Parts: sequence; C-alpha cells; structure tokens
Amino acid sequence: ETGVTQSPTHLIKTRGQQVTLRCSSQSGHNTVSWYQQALGQGPQFIFQYYREEENGRGNFPPRFSGLQFPNYSSELNVNALELDDSALYLCASSLDLGPEQYFGPGTRLTVT
Amino acid sequence: GESVGLHLPTLSVQEGDNSIINCAYSNSASDYFIWYKQESGKGPQFIIDIRSNMDKRQGQRVTVLLNKTVKHLSLQIAATQPGDSAVYFCAEGTNSGYALNFGKGTSLLVTP
Repeated sequence: ETGVTQSPTHLIKTRGQQVTLRCSSQSGHNTVSWYQQALGQGPQFIFQYYREEENGRGNFPPRFSGLQFPNYSSELNVNALELDDSALYLCASSLDLGPEQYFGPGTRLTVT
Repeated sequence: GESVGLHLPTLSVQEGDNSIINCAYSNSASDYFIWYKQESGKGPQFIIDIRSNMDKRQGQRVTVLLNKTVKHLSLQIAATQPGDSAVYFCAEGTNSGYALNFGKGTSLLVTP
C-alpha cells in the first residue's frame, strides 16, 4: 500500500509569484484535503476534493485554488503569493469522505 | 468558530512512565475525534480516533477517553518511549462536514 506523497519537499518563492503543489493520495483513497500549517500551530483546513469536485472550503481567499485528477491525485495552486503564505502545506487522503485522514509529509513553502 | 484546544502546551515525562495529553473542545456537535502525532519535519500521523457515541477506545499502548459532559478528550500513552517524543494534536470533525478542526498541539518530551 502506497502512502500519501507530496512534491516538492521544499520551495522558495518571491512575493507575487504563483506556486503549484502536488499530492498523490494513498492507494484506494478518493478524497483529498489540503491544510496549511504555520509554525507552531495546528493545521488549518483549506479545501477538500472528492471525485474531482470541490467538496468544501475553509476560510482561505480565492487565490488558493485546487484540482483533483481522475487518478485522485491533486494540486494546490496559490496565486499572488504573500509573505504570510509561508507555511507547511499538508495533503491528506481518505476514503469516501471518511474521517480517517492520512497525511503526507508536506511541502515547506517559503515566500520572500 | 468553535475551537478545539489543549490544556498544556508542553509535557515532559520519563521513559517508562505513562503520559496523559488533554484536549478540550467546544463543539458539542462533533461526531468524532482523532489524535495525531507529528514529529519534526513530518506530516501528522494518525494514532487513534473515537466516535462521539463512545467513552473509551484502546489501541496499541494508547487509550483515548472522551467525556462529553465536560467536553474533554485525553490520550493516554502507556510505558512512554523516546520515540513517542513529538507534538500531539487532537482534531474534531462532524459527519456532515469535511474539515478536521485542529487544536494548537502539545509537545511531548520523553527523557531517559
């Protein structure tokens, strides 16, 4: 069984740029959720995708967008990067919107 | 919105002792609660979950207790080992929702 994987591991971007983060869900999982984790804080929910449709969204501006592909992998896109976007971005997968969400290792984004 | 929080930000225990990590929640509509362990540089690792219609659930070396009267959740780790050193998060969710709501976390340090 393959766990959740994310790429890249680390990323440095300049304010105003755009970034795309990628996630492959755990084998057999069709639900992907994205979270933002600031240093010293718990993860904050960004949005969730289920069978290629956005299923719910947290309190994040529209410049945070996403996609889910037929193989259930997912992308998180952030436009017009701001310094406060610097964080660990976590992807979690689950089966059929189930509560047991399994997390990937995250992508550390630094905005300068 | 309603929040999930932890009583103690840090906990130091000796190897071999039992650890108890506490969590208070305010959303009485929560249907389930999950404990995650996050080691430095890694994503949260699923430990154990408990449904709101349960009071206790046991796993390997871990026990979660739920007291709905006072909206309190605890994670007990038996015979704590150095590998248990990490930040522990409690998270809550509802069957009608999609997001996990995380608290800020408790740092557990196991000393020899």
